[in-house]
Amino acid sequence: QTVVTQEPSFSVSPGGTVTLTCGLTSGSVSTNDYASWFQQIPGQTPRSLIYSTTTRSSGVPDRFSGSLLGNKAALTITGAQADDESDYYCALYMGSGIWVFGGGSRLTVL
Amino acid sequence: EVHLVESGGGLVQPGGSLRLSCTASGFTYRSYWMSWVRQAPGKGLEWVAYIKHDGTDKKYVDSVKGRAIISRDNADNALYLQMNSLTIEDTAVYYCVRVGGDYSLDHWGQGTLVTVSS
Repeated sequence: QTVVTQEPSFSVSPGGTVTLTCGLTSGSVSTNDYASWFQQIPGQTPRSLIYSTTTRSSGVPDRFSGSLLGNKAALTITGAQADDESDYYCALYMGSGIWVFGGGSRLTVL
Repeated sequence: EVHLVESGGGLVQPGGSLRLSCTASGFTYRSYWMSWVRQAPGKGLEWVAYIKHDGTDKKYVDSVKGRAIISRDNADNALYLQMNSLTIEDTAVYYCVRVGGDYSLDHWGQGTLVTVSS
C-alpha cells in the first residue's frame, strides 16, 4: 500500500521562508509522480497551488514554488504572509487514474 | 469560468445508499477526466474515484471498491457517484474535481456532506 508522507505541522515567521515536503514510505518521489500541492483554509474548498511538481496553477502568487528536494517533492513559500496560514496537502499520481494524498501539513504563521 | 456543483448529500443510515451528483459548466466537460475526493470531518483529503473523459475507464480507492460506482453523462455535463453499503467511515464532504493537464486536480466543487449515522 502506497503511503504519502507530510510533516504534520510547520511554523514560519511573517516574511520568512518555509519548505514543506511530500515523500513516499517506500521509494523516492520523481517527476513521474506528477506531484500536486493544495491549500485548504479551514472551512473552505481545497485550491490547487502546484501541479506536475513545479507548475503553478492559474492565479497562484509566485511566492509559492514546487520542486524536488532529494527524494521528495517540496513546496516552498517565500515571504510568508498571514493568510498563508492554512492546511497544505500534496497528492501523487500513481498512474492508471489513481491518486494518493498525503496526510496534510498545518502551517502556522507567527 | 469552471463551475462544479455537487448535490445529493445528506443523512443516511449505515447500510444505506446514496447517489451524489455533480453538474459541470464553463468548460468542455466531455474532454476531461473527472474525480471524486472526500474529506472526513477533521481529517485529510482522500481520493475516492476517477472516470475517463469518455467513461471507458474507472478506478476506485480500495476502501470503496465493490460499493461505489462512478459514472458520467456527457450530454448533461453530469458526474455521479453511487455509494452503497455505507458505513460510518464514509461520513465526509465529497468533492467533485476536474482533472486537468498533467493529472492536476485543478478545479474543485464546494462539496456535499454525507453523514452516515443511525
